Amino acid sequence: NAGVMQNPRHLVRRRGQEARLRCSPMKGHSHVYWYRQLPEEGLKFMVYLQKENIIDESGMPKERFSAEFPKEGPSILRIQQVVRGDSAAYFCASSRTGEGHTFGSGTRLTVV
Amino acid sequence: GESVGLHLPTLSVQEGDNSIINCAYSNSASDYFIWYKQESGKGPQFIIDIRSNMDKRQGQRVTVLLNKTVKHLSLQIAATQPGDSAVYFCAENFLNQFYFGTGTSLTVIP
Repeated sequence: NAGVMQNPRHLVRRRGQEARLRCSPMKGHSHVYWYRQLPEEGLKFMVYLQKENIIDESGMPKERFSAEFPKEGPSILRIQQVVRGDSAAYFCASSRTGEGHTFGSGTRLTVV
Repeated sequence: GESVGLHLPTLSVQEGDNSIINCAYSNSASDYFIWYKQESGKGPQFIIDIRSNMDKRQGQRVTVLLNKTVKHLSLQIAATQPGDSAVYFCAENFLNQFYFGTGTSLTVIP
């Protein structure tokens, strides 16, 4: 039973490019969460999704960031026109019931 | 202890000693709490959870204590081992959303 799978593990983008981060939840989990972590800081909630629905996106910046969790395939966190300040680790978590997150290993985004 | 917005607190303990990591949470209506362990370069890993109708829960070598009066959560690790070195986060659940503390960095001295 594979855990939460995130890819890529590391992503380097030039300023102005797009970054696409993928998350496949654990089998049987229909709740997906995205978090952002800066060095030596805690996890900051970004968005909570269920299949084909955004439940809570209160932590998402209003511009350039979007997330989806389609009926088929992984959840995608998309960052358009990346800037240096977007450099961070982005973690995805999934759960069956909305409690007890299981986290992926994260995607470390570096904007150069 | 940890609190949102501060630099990462650190705790150093001798191997074999007990560790106590503290966390002050924000919302008195939070009803579910989790402690996570995060090793360098990895995602957070679930350690133990507790609901607000309990004040203590024990796992293997770990105990979580909840004091709702002062909104305080602690994680006790018995007989700390080098493999316990990591950053530990508490998380509170309020209205189906998790809020994470800044974390405490635990270093175990062999």
